[in-house]
Amino acid sequence: DIQMTQSPSTLSASVGDRVTITCQASQSISSWLAWYQQKPGKAPNLLIYKTSILESGVPSRFSGSGSGTEFTLTISSLQPDDFATYYCQQYSAYPLTFGGGTKVEIK
Amino acid sequence: EVQLVESGGGLVQPGGSLRLSCAASGFTVSNNYMSWVRQAPGKGLEWVSIIYTGGSTYYADSVKARFTISRDNSRNTLYLQMNSLRAEDTAVYYCASRSGTTTPIFFYWGQGTLVTVSS
Repeated sequence: DIQMTQSPSTLSASVGDRVTITCQASQSISSWLAWYQQKPGKAPNLLIYKTSILESGVPSRFSGSGSGTEFTLTISSLQPDDFATYYCQQYSAYPLTFGGGTKVEIK
Repeated sequence: EVQLVESGGGLVQPGGSLRLSCAASGFTVSNNYMSWVRQAPGKGLEWVSIIYTGGSTYYADSVKARFTISRDNSRNTLYLQMNSLRAEDTAVYYCASRSGTTTPIFFYWGQGTLVTVSS
């Protein structure tokens, strides 16, 4: 199985900060990576797929990059609505696997 | 508007069975890859199973041989039959999909249904 490791697990930041979350795959997944945002008590929301393609309606302050085994999600200027938990997901092979999550907290 | 509505969760004893349903509207279950994803209380997301448009199915190792994914095209409903339940199966179960693609990523999610396995 492909293991997905996210870092950090928790991140404290302020509104306006540039935030970067990293996701590392245990083997190459090419560009088959998605990012989700989840708020407490809610289902996840798809932000990015195929490493860098923004889902429709997602603000342009979100961006994704990487390939192979190293990937990043960047929020260029953190907004109040962005405080949430973020998950990466690989879909290169079954079983599909998610990273452990990164909680973005208010500093 | 697409809606996915799960039901069937509840409290069940270890070793017991439960069948979850996911009723879709504004969306055709048989035309899309449909998955179940679960989240244990306070934990991260875990993919459980997927059914392809052609009927092929895949499972997480943790549920293989215990869970069965299926669909009823006439009812436009996805199911997850869960047998031999364990405490570690306790979670909110979501059905999820993304239309117009055969890529197993998830844009549409239900509200989730809680399964609690406990004596």
